Amino acid sequence: AQSVTQLDSHVSVSEGTPVLLRCNYSSSYSPSLFWYVQHPNKGLQLLLKYTSAATLVKGINGFEAEFKKSETSFHLTKPSAHMSDAAEYFCVVTGSNDYKLSFGAGTTVTVRA
Amino acid sequence: GAGVSQSPSNKVTEKGKDVELRCDPISGHTALYWYRQSLGQGLEFLIYFQGNSAPDKSGLPSDRFSAERTGGSVSTLTIQRTQQEDSAVYLCASSYKFDYEQYFGPGTRLTVT
Repeated sequence: AQSVTQLDSHVSVSEGTPVLLRCNYSSSYSPSLFWYVQHPNKGLQLLLKYTSAATLVKGINGFEAEFKKSETSFHLTKPSAHMSDAAEYFCVVTGSNDYKLSFGAGTTVTVRA
Repeated sequence: GAGVSQSPSNKVTEKGKDVELRCDPISGHTALYWYRQSLGQGLEFLIYFQGNSAPDKSGLPSDRFSAERTGGSVSTLTIQRTQQEDSAVYLCASSYKFDYEQYFGPGTRLTVT
């Protein structure tokens, strides 16, 4: 079985400051890990994915995440937050079947002007 | 190109009525998935289609829920005798193959009164 835990339900940052969203995973197999973003009344959009290649993964809109097996973590970061980054972010893991996505509870990001 | 579309975007129904939710996947995508997003349960996998077959229905919460896919394209999720706990956003996703990136639709918000 696989699961993810998002350590913060809500993160508030000032525009132009770094963003850190924390995610820990549990998996019996070598996992594939993803971060998705959901803007209000919009569908989920893939930000980035890790599939056992490079441990530092770069995604869209300046986001990146680092896979740390020793810490079972896959934290999402962005050096400088923009107002448009205000959204809900989901850390996701797949199991051995590689299609059933298991979602974390989500982290809501608020960006202050 | 066109993304995943879902209809209706919003559906309000009375308890005990049947509802049908529709998903149009991206053209050429062989895999299709249904997920449910609710306040209490977060995002949950419901069912996976490969072509017109559903090899994994493990997430369907009860026998009131069923889904079909025709022509390897459009899928319909049917909920019979709706209950208030069925109120949620129902998300559809599709992918080129089962282990490729899943693209999500905007969802159907179902409210059971």
